[in-house]
Amino acid sequence: SAVISQKPSRDICQRGTSLTIQCQVDSQVTMMFWYRQQPGQSLTLIATANQGSEATYESGFVIDKFPISRPNLTFSTLTVSNMSPEDSSIYLCSVANSLLNTEAFFGQGTRLTVV
Amino acid sequence: KNQVEQSPQSLIILEGKNCTLQCNYTVSPFSNLRWYKQDTGRGPVSLTIMTFSENTKSNGRYTATLDADTKQSSLHITASQLSDSASYICVVSARTNAGKSTFGDGTTLTVKP
Repeated sequence: SAVISQKPSRDICQRGTSLTIQCQVDSQVTMMFWYRQQPGQSLTLIATANQGSEATYESGFVIDKFPISRPNLTFSTLTVSNMSPEDSSIYLCSVANSLLNTEAFFGQGTRLTVV
Repeated sequence: KNQVEQSPQSLIILEGKNCTLQCNYTVSPFSNLRWYKQDTGRGPVSLTIMTFSENTKSNGRYTATLDADTKQSSLHITASQLSDSASYICVVSARTNAGKSTFGDGTTLTVKP
């Protein structure tokens, strides 16, 4: 299994500002993903974080709003830019160690509230 | 389009009782199906993972079944405890699509004393 440390665990931010969320894994992993979970809903994939190259974004998510970095196989960041109240969600980092995604582990999540 | 549907949407049971949650999927070609438990405000925690050839897998009081022919799975919880109150999410992955997963909307289980 993989142990994932996600920081911060929660934050309250002013609209118009940006927040960077960190995801640190205790071992090298092939794949890292960022998800958003809005209140009462299931998880929605934002993007796949690619090591050493630009992230692959899902429909409805763009790099200018959610820039992602992945400098190595154990670390990634997600930035929520120019925040609005609609960005209030839980943001989750997930990792998997094979292309077939046979097992995926999740961080504890970052609960973001934008006021 | 790959889809995962879970039922019921929510469920209330008394402590000590058993319950079964359902998951139907259309993901193809099938790779694996996972059940997660998500406590309020926390990240999902894996309960079971099953591949095509597996019919049943247990994890303590949790038993998952898989019928790959009918594309159905169930999660059975035995002798429920108050700590079982959570959202249970069914997640299915395809053998293609770069390892991405399709998530169900979850079943919210409430166990009452």
